Amino acid sequence: AQKITQTQPGMFVQEKEAVTLDCTYDTSDPSYGLFWYKQPSSGEMIFLIYQGSYDQQNATEGRYSLNFQKARKSANLVISASQLGDSAMYFCAMREDSGYSTLTFGKGTMLLVSP
Amino acid sequence: DVKVTQSSRYLVKRTGEKVFLECVQDMDHENMFWYRQDPGLGLRLIYFSYDVKMKEKGDIPEGYSVSREKKERFSLILESASTNQTSMYLCASRLGSTPSGANVLTFGAGSRLTVL
Repeated sequence: AQKITQTQPGMFVQEKEAVTLDCTYDTSDPSYGLFWYKQPSSGEMIFLIYQGSYDQQNATEGRYSLNFQKARKSANLVISASQLGDSAMYFCAMREDSGYSTLTFGKGTMLLVSP
Repeated sequence: DVKVTQSSRYLVKRTGEKVFLECVQDMDHENMFWYRQDPGLGLRLIYFSYDVKMKEKGDIPEGYSVSREKKERFSLILESASTNQTSMYLCASRLGSTPSGANVLTFGAGSRLTVL
């Protein structure tokens, strides 16, 4: 079974609108972390936002927020007021804190922002 | 800022060649990782290292080996390159394995390898 599922291969949004990128995860580990990374066409992976499994509040970083629904095992990324520069590939990832705490990535969602 | 440098941005090699992909980080990070990225498959972990001279297999280690003789350098080795190893290779590092939002992976720019 996949540990991280991103069901949207691609998303389109107009500039200045909000967009939600979906991510569901599967773990039996009580302690884990969830991450979102952005990969523009240049190829470099850019860290956006982090949510710990014990965090009570949803994480926010500027225009990025993480909608964490623990019971549903979802960690959706919300981008408010989209900009053209947000066009990129977005990856959700999970770190399980037992064992070696490596990161497992989803397959990614390509976001295109149109003027 | 932490910098992770991958020595080659683009490489073209022939089937059967031995290939070295080098990765250097400059912030004394303990942990280093090699991922490969393929369209529709996301990032998959090949090998990782928790300290000098230590290495662990990831999800797809077959056909690869690694070397970490110094803390700052983590090399990925393809002993005999094959066409199915054509891919983007991403190196990453982090301070340690402490569960913390501050302890994130920092990636290099990637090495795109084509095996003919």
